[in-house]
Amino acid sequence: AQKITQTQPGMFVQEKEAVTLDCTYDTSDQSYGLFWYKQPSSGEMIFLIYQGSYDEQNATEGRYSLNFQKARKSANLVISASQLGDSAMYFCAMREGLTPFGGSTLGRLYFGRGTQLTVWP
Amino acid sequence: DAMVIQNPRYQVTQFGKPVTLSCSQTLNHNVMYWYQQKSSQAPKLLFHYYDKDFNNEADTPDNFQSRRPNTSFCFLDIRSPGLGDAAMYLCATSRARDSNQPQHFGDGTRLSIL
Repeated sequence: AQKITQTQPGMFVQEKEAVTLDCTYDTSDQSYGLFWYKQPSSGEMIFLIYQGSYDEQNATEGRYSLNFQKARKSANLVISASQLGDSAMYFCAMREGLTPFGGSTLGRLYFGRGTQLTVWP
Repeated sequence: DAMVIQNPRYQVTQFGKPVTLSCSQTLNHNVMYWYQQKSSQAPKLLFHYYDKDFNNEADTPDNFQSRRPNTSFCFLDIRSPGLGDAAMYLCATSRARDSNQPQHFGDGTRLSIL
């Protein structure tokens, strides 16, 4: 089963409007972290926001907020007041475990397939 | 600023000609990762180092090798690149035990095969 599912291959939003990018995850770990990254067409991966499994409040970073629903295993990214520069690919990712001791899963990130966001004027 | 630096930004090589991509970091992180990302796909983890311990993903082709001579540098060697190896290669770092910390990515090297 996929660890991270992003069901929206593409999303369109008008400038200054809010948009929600969906992400659901699958894990049996009690302790994990959820990340959102932005990747513009130039290729660099830019970290946006983090949500820990034990965090009771939804994470916020400026115009970005994370709608974390633990029981539903969803971690949707909300971008408020979209800007033209927000047009990019957005990846949801998960990191399992707080105390990794060796093995190939040491701190690895599981990525979703991404959502291409286009902001239009 | 502390960062992850990848060189070169663009690399063109010939089919079958060995190529090396480099990554350096000033973050002093224990773990360094190499990802391959093909067009419109998610990054795929190739391997990672935890300090000097090398961890290879099960499905990483033997054609791909890596070296980490010290904490700051990590190299990706592709011994005999094929057309299917054309991709963006991303290097990332993290502190091993802090799962609430993001992986920090470099700008990537876009590899083309002629």
